[in-house]
Amino acid sequence: EADIYQTPRYLVIGTGKKITLECSQTMGHDKMYWYQQDPGMELHLIHYSYGVNSTEKGDLSSESTVSRIRTEHFPLTLESARPSHTSQYLCASSEYDRGFQETQYFGPGTRLLVL
Amino acid sequence: GENVEQHPSTLSVQEGDSAVIKCTYSDSASNYFPWYKQELGKGPQLIIDIRSNVGEKKDQRIAVTLNKTAKHFSLHITETQPEDSAVYFCAARAGSARQLTFGSGTQLTVLP
Repeated sequence: EADIYQTPRYLVIGTGKKITLECSQTMGHDKMYWYQQDPGMELHLIHYSYGVNSTEKGDLSSESTVSRIRTEHFPLTLESARPSHTSQYLCASSEYDRGFQETQYFGPGTRLLVL
Repeated sequence: GENVEQHPSTLSVQEGDSAVIKCTYSDSASNYFPWYKQELGKGPQLIIDIRSNVGEKKDQRIAVTLNKTAKHFSLHITETQPEDSAVYFCAARAGSARQLTFGSGTQLTVLP
């Protein structure tokens, strides 16, 4: 069982509000990720981090920002939420592996609805 | 960059029958191919993976095959059970410095 947590699990918020989605893992993993999952199921990488003070943008452009001040914590922030941000957000982590394999452990997700 | 295509997008099978999900990838440098299962209300979970130096791997009722020449890999589930109903994602990665690229997902429904 993966030790990766996301809060809140569900969030309904009005347009223009600032929100922060929390993600924490207790496995000591260096790499962490944020994915956006649309209703059609597809997973889109929006941010990732290789370790403390490292953040990179993913394949899908996102207006969100992330920070990595502590190894175990990788919060995602939307400064001004819009209805187009309505989606499910999945956080994941993995142990840095110099070889082939890299098991990503996913959190349960945050389902965001912006009215 | 890598592009992973997954088919079919939905699949319904009778309990006890086999299910096959297929993926193709574009980057010939890809060398790691995991499969994830996502149950309703949960995040995806790794169920099996394969490296490029292996053609087939099996774990109880699930197996994955890889054809590097054709650049495709498949997930096979035998003796399907209702608890196999979920969304399945394939993925590919070209080296440890790259990120996983996921397929678009397959909604598998096992009918009792």
